[in-house]
Amino acid sequence: GESVGLHLPTLSVQEGDNSIINCAYSNSASDYFIWYKQESGKGPQFIIDIRSNMDKRQGQRVTVLLNKTVKHLSLQIAATQPGDSAVYFCAEKPGTYKYIFGTGTRLKVLA
Amino acid sequence: GAGVSQSPSNKVTEKGKDVELRCDPISGHTALYWYRQSLGQGLEFLIYFQGNSAPDKSGLPSDRFSAERTGGSVSTLTIQRTQQEDSAVYLCASSLGLAGQETQYFGPGTRLLVL
Repeated sequence: GESVGLHLPTLSVQEGDNSIINCAYSNSASDYFIWYKQESGKGPQFIIDIRSNMDKRQGQRVTVLLNKTVKHLSLQIAATQPGDSAVYFCAEKPGTYKYIFGTGTRLKVLA
Repeated sequence: GAGVSQSPSNKVTEKGKDVELRCDPISGHTALYWYRQSLGQGLEFLIYFQGNSAPDKSGLPSDRFSAERTGGSVSTLTIQRTQQEDSAVYLCASSLGLAGQETQYFGPGTRLLVL
């Protein structure tokens, strides 16, 4: 079936280092992708999005890369901070309104 | 402006009781989604509302689940005769519902525990 998966369920990084969180998607028809951050006990928070006509998009300390050839999405966080510790998950939109969500990667920032 | 709000934030109920979960979307957002998030699982789509169109109820897991959206704004998700497997976080999200402006914004969720 269709799925959005993540390569690493848990990622530990040193404070100040860069983090890279990966996501594989399976539906080549997906035209819109979102990365969310979810802290414990809270709802998902929008981080950054990208459309399929783009390969890269940058925000504040975050960059999303899209490789449509291998159906791969990544989130890069620069200079990772303790406040970045959370679960990150990606979402793809293959149709008009439904989204498919991954299970998430837990990012742990080590002091 | 205000984000998506949900109430209650936590709900503990006994098996067999009915519960109502409420969602207030962002003002002006015509699209509203309900999802269920179980521990270690991805978000499970439940139902989608868009304006005055008939909702997409294809994700509702059983006929014990129902949802309404009154006046195109506030939505209520009702679970009748709750079961222990209904325990999860129920998330609501809204978006402008326009092509090119479909970003979903989530509420804080309602954590439901069925004893």
